[in-house]
Amino acid sequence: QKEVEQNSGPLSVPEGAIASLNCTYSDRGSQSFFWYRQYSGKSPELIMFIYSNGDKEDGRFTAQLNKASQYVSLLIRDSQPSDSATYLCAVRGVTGGGNKLTFGTGTQLKVEL
Amino acid sequence: GAGVSQSPRYKVAKRGQDVALRCDPISGHVSLFWYQQALGQGPEFLTYFQNEAQLDKSGLPSDRFFAERPEGSVSTLKIQRTQQEDSAVYLCASSYRAFAGEQYFGPGTRLTVT
Repeated sequence: QKEVEQNSGPLSVPEGAIASLNCTYSDRGSQSFFWYRQYSGKSPELIMFIYSNGDKEDGRFTAQLNKASQYVSLLIRDSQPSDSATYLCAVRGVTGGGNKLTFGTGTQLKVEL
Repeated sequence: GAGVSQSPRYKVAKRGQDVALRCDPISGHVSLFWYQQALGQGPEFLTYFQNEAQLDKSGLPSDRFFAERPEGSVSTLKIQRTQQEDSAVYLCASSYRAFAGEQYFGPGTRLTVT
């Protein structure tokens, strides 16, 4: 079992719709959770982080965390073509000093006109 | 302010050559990380520095890989006797906190070993 799992996609949504990206993790002791956006040929860009159970909203983005289910998600409201990218879920656990991030393989999002 | 910078952006090496990749973290950031990203995969952790101390090098794939951060700022990742399987994008990230905290990535160095 991979430590961080994401559906590779592509996930296609029409412009203006809500995109829902999901991630599960195996280390129950994981402390914090991050969503990065990566455009093709570019490096990952941090867009959201969440440390506590529940929802965290920032503009069009909402991160949701459920530690009991070991599940974290990212909702993108009013999706725009510029949101088309790969979204990487990353988890900071407790092993190895608790500082490294473990990434999923990413979900490719396509927002269609 | 200035973000994380890395150089060179692209490096082509013949198999067996040594390479050195440089990372300039965000000013004042205590923590520095190196990751390796293969095509179609998420970044994989290589090593972590807190100031000049290398606290975790569990992700370095072999003893051909070596990293340093002698003055607690700029870091260099060195790969000796490069192999084709070393071809990847090498990403550097920094964080303002000693533990936890958000990590911000540089543009990466794309290494191609021929």
